[in-house]
Amino acid sequence: KNEVEQSPQNLTAQEGEFITINCSYSVGISALHWLQQHPGGGIVSLFMLSSGKKKHGRLIATINIQEKHSSLHITASHPRDSAVYICAVRGTNFGNEKLTFGTGTRLTIIP
Amino acid sequence: EAGVTQFPSHSVIEKGQTVTLRCDPISGHDNLYWYRRVMGKEIKFLLHFVKESKQDESGMPNNRFLAERTGGTYSTLKVQPAELEDSGVYFCASSLAGQELFFGSGTQLSVL
Repeated sequence: KNEVEQSPQNLTAQEGEFITINCSYSVGISALHWLQQHPGGGIVSLFMLSSGKKKHGRLIATINIQEKHSSLHITASHPRDSAVYICAVRGTNFGNEKLTFGTGTRLTIIP
Repeated sequence: EAGVTQFPSHSVIEKGQTVTLRCDPISGHDNLYWYRRVMGKEIKFLLHFVKESKQDESGMPNNRFLAERTGGTYSTLKVQPAELEDSGVYFCASSLAGQELFFGSGTQLSVL
């Protein structure tokens, strides 16, 4: 079992729908990252959070440390949101900030 | 300001050959990481530099992989000799301590 599990693995939705991607982890963390990768493109960091909630435009990320769970929400989804969304966690050892990644969620938004 | 730069973007080599990947981090970022995604799998950690020192190389698959970061600036990852299972996308990322991570666009390595 992976230390970081994402669901769903694939998600197809109509333009305008509200999207939720979930991430659960089984290890202690100092921070959780949500990353985005467009087809053929590099990885972009969307959020880094260690508690509560962050919002950037139509994207919202939440984390519940007690439940070891995070969600990424997209409001008013658009075809340009189509990408792979990856959850990654940073360990708690000071000075060792390597990330452990989930397998990613492939999101397709249909016009 | 330039982001994290990796080159080449693609490399196709034959089994047994040598390939060297390069990563230029964001200027001033002491932390540099190498990650790899092989087909169908999640991205996996390879190693972590702080300046020129290897902080953690627990993810390096075997001694065919050699990473260097001379002078604490750019880093190279050499695979010698390359094997078929080394195919994948190699990502580099850099950060200030405890801060947001910035990724390069990756090098797609194909070993035939």
